[in-house]
Amino acid sequence: DTEVTQTPKHLVMGMTNKKSLKCEQHMGHRAMYWYKQKAKKPPELMFVYSYEKLSINESVPSRFSPECPNSSLLNLHLHALQPEDSALYLCASSPGGGASYEQYFGPGTRLTVT
Amino acid sequence: AQSVTQPDIHITVSEGASLELRCNYSYGATPYLFWYVQSPGQGLQLLLKYFSGDTLVQGIKGFEAEFKRSQSSFNLRKPSVHWSDAAEYFCAGLKQDDYKLSFGAGTTVTVRA
Repeated sequence: DTEVTQTPKHLVMGMTNKKSLKCEQHMGHRAMYWYKQKAKKPPELMFVYSYEKLSINESVPSRFSPECPNSSLLNLHLHALQPEDSALYLCASSPGGGASYEQYFGPGTRLTVT
Repeated sequence: AQSVTQPDIHITVSEGASLELRCNYSYGATPYLFWYVQSPGQGLQLLLKYFSGDTLVQGIKGFEAEFKRSQSSFNLRKPSVHWSDAAEYFCAGLKQDDYKLSFGAGTTVTVRA
């Protein structure tokens, strides 16, 4: 089973709110990723966790805060977002520690910042 | 710098006709290559992958892709398109020992009846 799940499917938040996105996989993958995708564009990498440690932060603003509580879970904490942060947020996972492996994506969370 | 290029922004094809989507890569060494499909409002689904070996790769949903080193290409094909194949298709490359996928800009496929 190559399934990555994400909750919620849709999220509307104001610029002063704090919210979290959740991602889960039970494939035994040890690398997990957060991507941001704007309409009609390819996904852009935000963060990579390998063996529950943050490996890559693509210079993402601090209003996005990732967390990897265990090997199956990945959260993205959101605070003081801007309207331009509205996008589809995709989680992915890959086998092994991640490098040199294919990535499996979840269905995404559609975020709207008002 | 490593890159993947999809020359076609939009392709329209009749249902039942064949489909070919182009992908070119530019890497110092042969990268790992992937094709993903994304239906509107959905996540990306992995169609197929190439790491090494047989240059003709079979994937899900009746898709195949051919790796051609001489042309730096990894084109995706399907012999007979169904209306449900209408979607956005992304080619992606991955350098060995790296995490970061390089995506092409994507090709939108429209299927007409």
